[in-house]
Amino acid sequence: SQTIHQWPATLVQPVGSPLSLECTVEGTSNPNLYWYRQAAGRGLQLLFYSVGIGQISSEVPQNLSASRPQDRQFILSSKKLLLSDSGFYLCAWSRSNQPQHFGDGTRLSIL
Amino acid sequence: DQQVKQNSPSLSVQEGRISILNCDYTNSMFDYFLWYKKYPAEGPTFLISISSIKDKNEDGRFTVFLNKSAKHLSLHIVPSQPGDSAVYFCAANAGGTSYGKLTFGQGTILTVHP
Repeated sequence: SQTIHQWPATLVQPVGSPLSLECTVEGTSNPNLYWYRQAAGRGLQLLFYSVGIGQISSEVPQNLSASRPQDRQFILSSKKLLLSDSGFYLCAWSRSNQPQHFGDGTRLSIL
Repeated sequence: DQQVKQNSPSLSVQEGRISILNCDYTNSMFDYFLWYKKYPAEGPTFLISISSIKDKNEDGRFTVFLNKSAKHLSLHIVPSQPGDSAVYFCAANAGGTSYGKLTFGQGTILTVHP
């Protein structure tokens, strides 16, 4: 069966510091991969999606970037965090005609 | 521009009664709709979906209704149970499948009282 792992579960970072969140999927190959953010009191906003290694599409202009160095690895990064980057970050995968499956997310707090 | 809207931030229901969660959309290109359920500190889990070629889909206690002319869908939970207490998100896709980019609503917090 397929599983998705996200880490860390919680992260507290100072403004201006870098960020790296990692997501890996097991049990499938060539999945579509997604990064979402849920800001306080809001729905899930799609940030990036990827259909293959090195193929990244950005949905909204922002302070973040994404990379897919391996088929089942998706990384969310920032060089300098802003206060507005606080939120709950979720990674998801899908394949063929299946609904997206989400990881348990990372709660990011910027101080 | 909020293309998928859940106008009720919260809903409170007695155990055993029906819960009805509503969702409206504005993009007429959306042709596949999903409901996700989310517990605190966890990722959303897929609940049920419906294609625009149908107007109803049932799975156990959960039924989703789609009214394309009104651009409205609803999730019915019967009977409601305390374990159903969670945040419910509706989502939409323009590709005709559950695969691909999803646009989510803001979520509705459902509380089921024993």
